[in-house]
Amino acid sequence: GDSVTQMEGPVTLSEEAFLTINCTYTATGYPSLFWYVQYPGEGLQLLLKATKADDKGSNKGFEATYRKETTSFHLEKGSVQVSDSAVYFCALNRELTALIFGKGTTLSVSS
Amino acid sequence: KAGVTQTPRYLIKTRGQQVTLSCSPISGHRSVSWYQQTPGQGLQFLFEYFSETQRNKGNFPGRFSGRQFSNSRSEMNVSTLELGDSALYLCASSLRGNVEAFFGQGTRLTVV
Repeated sequence: GDSVTQMEGPVTLSEEAFLTINCTYTATGYPSLFWYVQYPGEGLQLLLKATKADDKGSNKGFEATYRKETTSFHLEKGSVQVSDSAVYFCALNRELTALIFGKGTTLSVSS
Repeated sequence: KAGVTQTPRYLIKTRGQQVTLSCSPISGHRSVSWYQQTPGQGLQFLFEYFSETQRNKGNFPGRFSGRQFSNSRSEMNVSTLELGDSALYLCASSLRGNVEAFFGQGTRLTVV
């Protein structure tokens, strides 16, 4: 079945460092790919998405490119802030099916 | 416009009791999905309702059930609560089926 694998955390960075969180997937067909973020005590917020190969999703300085050849959707940000500290989830779905999530990666940014 | 609203935010129940959680989706959204989040299992899909019909179901026992009303509001019910049901329950709404889902803040259920 479909699945998502994320790098395990926690990831600890200093402010203004470069961030990469790896995500790979296994799925039949052409799923849509997502990154969600969860702040402490909150639900999930959609951070960015990509619906077809080579699409780049971007939002708030975060970017991820849908790579069909490597089945990957790595999240990157050039300069992280303390306010980016949260748990990040990579997810996929095909239309009319449930979201399948990775285990989540905790990011901690210190000033 | 208003986001997804889940009530209550926190609940404490005793083993063996039952509980009902509520979710009001974004106006115009007809699909409501429920997920369970625990530290050990992560985010797991419970079920999805679309236009008052259950369209998809995850791998949970029959103690977990749900329904959707004509105004798209949804409820989920857990009967005969077990300690392992302690979790954050998240509701997500979308226009027609999870292509872009928006989540509520969740209901934190603690079973003692």
